[in-house]
Amino acid sequence: DAEITQSPRHKITETGRQVTLACHQTWNHNNMFWYRQDLGHGLRLIHYSYGVQDTNKGEVSDGYSVSRSNTEDLPLTLESAASSQTSVYFCASSESGKNEQFFGPGTRLTVL
Amino acid sequence: AQTVTQSQPEMSVQEAETVTLSCTYDTSESDYYLFWYKQPPSRQMILVIRQEAYKQQNATENRFSVNFQKAAKSFSLKISDSQLGDAAMYFCAYRSAFGQNFVFGPGTRLSVLP
Repeated sequence: DAEITQSPRHKITETGRQVTLACHQTWNHNNMFWYRQDLGHGLRLIHYSYGVQDTNKGEVSDGYSVSRSNTEDLPLTLESAASSQTSVYFCASSESGKNEQFFGPGTRLTVL
Repeated sequence: AQTVTQSQPEMSVQEAETVTLSCTYDTSESDYYLFWYKQPPSRQMILVIRQEAYKQQNATENRFSVNFQKAAKSFSLKISDSQLGDAAMYFCAYRSAFGQNFVFGPGTRLSVLP
């Protein structure tokens, strides 16, 4: 069955370190998204991609970057982790023209 | 920019009873989609129900139904015959018909009391 996976599921790191969160989908969807979830804010969009080599900034993109070298993967990189980036991160994908976004299981990131 | 508001941070309901979760949104567009997602303690985001703005008929999925009031920009979720497994965070979300990005509300935590 097609799916969307994230790794790692949990990560603890120190401030200033570079961290990369992986997202892999087998739906063959063009669109992929990264969100962070914080209490009282719901899910906020970090970056998104509508296809290979396409990346765009979302609402809360400062301190994050993404790259899209193939259809299946959209890794999220924190260049220099900060305590304010402690959060739960969700990857999602969707097919162009279709309504629904499909979500990965989430990654809990703690920055000490 | 579009915004989504859920004014009830927490709600509770007795098992087998009915509960309604509120959602309002702000947009200048006439064509869009609205969604309710459920997030149980497992953290998995699960689509509960969707509504196309051009459809006047309210969407229904088994025990879940919506009350879509386009003029009032309101999109509430009604859960009938509540079950213990309905306990979760519920997020309302908006998507323009002209884009792929979602805008989420802050969520409502629903507790189901036995």
